Amino acid sequence: EAGVAQSPRYKIIEKRQSVAFWCNPISGHATLYWYQQILGQGPKLLIQFQNNGVVDDSQLPKDRFSAERLKGVDSTLKIQPAKLEDSAVYLCASSLLDYLNIQYFGAGTRLSVL
Amino acid sequence: GENVEQHPSTLSVQEGDSAVIKCTYSDSASNYFPWYKQELGKRPQLIIDIRSNVGEKKDQRIAVTLNKTAKHFSLHITETQPEDSAVYFCAASSPSGTYKYIFGTGTRLKVLA
Repeated sequence: EAGVAQSPRYKIIEKRQSVAFWCNPISGHATLYWYQQILGQGPKLLIQFQNNGVVDDSQLPKDRFSAERLKGVDSTLKIQPAKLEDSAVYLCASSLLDYLNIQYFGAGTRLSVL
Repeated sequence: GENVEQHPSTLSVQEGDSAVIKCTYSDSASNYFPWYKQELGKRPQLIIDIRSNVGEKKDQRIAVTLNKTAKHFSLHITETQPEDSAVYFCAASSPSGTYKYIFGTGTRLKVLA
């Protein structure tokens, strides 16, 4: 089966600019996650969707980060305006809405903010 | 809040030796513990997982053990090979609320040929 697709793979922007990332989950996966992975750290959950509704965005810096999952399939994560500390890999993951809840990850988008 | 501690942060072993990575979780309600392997520039991939109703699970050279009382679980890799070199992350998931994963900080394993 096809995996989680993310684009772009790399992005370099200057601070205060805006950036958007896109994720296409595995077909049929109702739950979608966005993680931030800073170099040398484990992934940190930013937001979790179930279908097109948000179930957890407690660690999303809402003053600058936003995410949507219209139609319950693809999702976009936006940062506006970016700060230096936003430099990280942004990982998208998806899972079936079942008791196993195994998460499958995309390859990520590496963001460098200069 | 919920937390997962992982040790060591780096681990070097000779090819053929065993490697052990340990994690401790804080949420006693956690009942699912996956381990992911992440090679440089690639996506995290699930290599093994364990649920709280078992104490040990093995898949070829990889095994995971769970001690619910101590809130501690470990990854064991035997007969290590150079291709085992990667960063390994543990995670804990709780059925309360959203089933989200809390990840450890990762262990960089180097297998020396």
